[in-house]
Amino acid sequence: QVQLVQSGAEVKKPGASVKVSCKTSGYTFSSYVMHWVRQAPGQGLEWMGWINAGNGKTKYSQKFQGRVTITRDTSATTAYMELNSLTSEDTAVYYCARLGQQLVQDYYYYYMDVWGKGTTVTVSS
Amino acid sequence: DIQMTQSPSSLSASVGDRVTITCRASQSISSYLNWYQQKPGKAPKVLIYGASNLQSGVPSRFSGSGSGTDFTLTISSLQPEDFATYYCQQSYNTPRTFGQGTKLEMK
Repeated sequence: QVQLVQSGAEVKKPGASVKVSCKTSGYTFSSYVMHWVRQAPGQGLEWMGWINAGNGKTKYSQKFQGRVTITRDTSATTAYMELNSLTSEDTAVYYCARLGQQLVQDYYYYYMDVWGKGTTVTVSS
Repeated sequence: DIQMTQSPSSLSASVGDRVTITCRASQSISSYLNWYQQKPGKAPKVLIYGASNLQSGVPSRFSGSGSGTDFTLTISSLQPEDFATYYCQQSYNTPRTFGQGTKLEMK
């Protein structure tokens, strides 16, 4: 079955960087886009960006532009999200989510169909 | 960016109730609207894609409707496992934006 297994919890100091991994299995990695979404404690879902696992192209939220880098290793079928210059505001659970698609009456609809369990990143001095 | 606004932000209901959650987009997004359910400590799970299409394996008591800017998620008869937070999300363009969430609590 399709699985996304994320790396373990991280504790970082302000100003540091964190790199979260998302190891996939059960499907053809390079045929899908992978999104990254985060959720601060008690807050809603916030989209960060995506990577086309086939060609490596990325798109980031303006909010994180210049601070986030999403990469992938096709041989390892793994996606990565690195966030730099961390502050306490970056304390959150970070999720990877595969972008699924369905064709309905000549239209393709896209949605996040499989999610990792999340990686807790805590930023504290 | 397209702003997604859900109402209400929280809702108290009982098992067996019919519940409706609304999501409004700041501009037309056609039918590019998805609904997710999230339980505490768990990742979100897709319920509805393309505004009205039920994801495989999701109970038929969940339904979605709408197009353009106004959308609804309806649960026809609440079950105990449905108490959770629900998010809408537009897939019309980037950035992919979510509503702020609707927390469905037991009355």
